[in-house]
Amino acid sequence: NAGVTQTPKFQVLKTGQSMTLQCAQDMNHEYMSWYRQDPGMGLRLIHYSVGAGITDQGEVPNGYNVSRSTTEDFPLRLLSAAPSQTSVYFCASSFEGGTGTFGYGYTFGSGTRLTVV
Amino acid sequence: GNSVTQMEGPVTLSEEAFLTINCTYTATGYPSLFWYVQYPGEGLQLLLKATKADDKGSNKGFEATYRKETTSFHLEKGSVQVSDSAVYFCALKSYGNNRLAFGKGNQVVVIP
Repeated sequence: NAGVTQTPKFQVLKTGQSMTLQCAQDMNHEYMSWYRQDPGMGLRLIHYSVGAGITDQGEVPNGYNVSRSTTEDFPLRLLSAAPSQTSVYFCASSFEGGTGTFGYGYTFGSGTRLTVV
Repeated sequence: GNSVTQMEGPVTLSEEAFLTINCTYTATGYPSLFWYVQYPGEGLQLLLKATKADDKGSNKGFEATYRKETTSFHLEKGSVQVSDSAVYFCALKSYGNNRLAFGKGNQVVVIP
């Protein structure tokens, strides 16, 4: 029962490099999202998806792209890394089944710690 | 829009002390309310939840009651242990909207 799996756990990038943070879930959850966590800022939503082929922006989408080609996977792409993107990134998923599901919580991955130098 | 406010600053207390972390919210309608816990180096885990007014969520000795009249969902534990040292996040989700709104979190440090 893997839940939500994020890779890599740690990454160091140089300014201007691009990379993809991977997220996969095996719970058949429709809803997936990416957050970044910074000291004193709590968790801020970057992008989210309510199902395969459907994505939307959260609070802080600039500099990031996402796609959702399958229910299981929701990768986050950094197009041109900047020091301001140094953060811990969390992927989360949730069951989204309509009117009776707003009481469901999220399942989080263990995070990717990204440093941009 | 939806928002969650947690009390400012870390909380430091001695083992077996009583813990309270305040959480108030602003939301349309009747949201579901959650407390998440994050242990060092890990992701967030759901600690407890409540989905309607006057519901009490409980888990691992922690409790929180959904108070609609005061728009609050304060977290309490009667006797904390060193292993409760973590960051605690209050969150809400509105009916028909699956996006969780988080508070900024509170670092809790329990000293032996």
